[in-house]
Amino acid sequence: AQSVTQLDSQVPVFEEAPVELRCNYSSSVSVYLFWYVQYPNQGLQLLLKYLSGSTLVKGINGFEAEFNKSQTSFHLRKPSVHISDTAEYFCAVSGGSTLTFGKGTMLLVSP
Amino acid sequence: KAGVTQTPRYLIKTRGQQVTLSCSPISGHRSVSWYQQTPGQGLQFLFEYFSETQRNKGNFPGRFSGRQFSNSRSEMNVSTLELGDSALYLCASSLGPSGRAETQYFGPGTRLLVL
Repeated sequence: AQSVTQLDSQVPVFEEAPVELRCNYSSSVSVYLFWYVQYPNQGLQLLLKYLSGSTLVKGINGFEAEFNKSQTSFHLRKPSVHISDTAEYFCAVSGGSTLTFGKGTMLLVSP
Repeated sequence: KAGVTQTPRYLIKTRGQQVTLSCSPISGHRSVSWYQQTPGQGLQFLFEYFSETQRNKGNFPGRFSGRQFSNSRSEMNVSTLELGDSALYLCASSLGPSGRAETQYFGPGTRLLVL
């Protein structure tokens, strides 16, 4: 069985500030990790994914995430956020036959 | 390439009715997964079809069913609708079976409101 915990349901931040969205997972097998973003009234869009290799993964829109196996974490970061980054962010783990999502973190960027 | 398309985008039904939602995957993708998204429960996996066979099923009652056609298009059906079935239903496609390194690409969803 696998599970994903996103520790914050909401993260408010000011424009141009850095942000970190936290994600922890548990799995009995090797995992592949994903971050998706969902803008209002839209489906999910892939931000980035970790399959193997370098633990620092760069994605679209200036986001990056670091895979930490010992801490079973895959936190998402952006050094400077923009108003347009306001959205819900989902961490997901794939270790078996399905993709399991966290509950999501709403990133609220204000001017 | 066109993305994943879902029809209809919005739907209003009353309790007891049934509904059919449609999903067309990205060309060449053979796997289609369905998810239910609600504010309280988040994203919950319904089922996955690969090459016209149901490969996995989530923890939902038998009122929820689906199928996949030879062109990989998929439909999901909910019978005897309940108020709690109001949700955004998302479809995702991938080249191969879900899981492991496969990336799922999502459609815009069908928003179902049950009155």
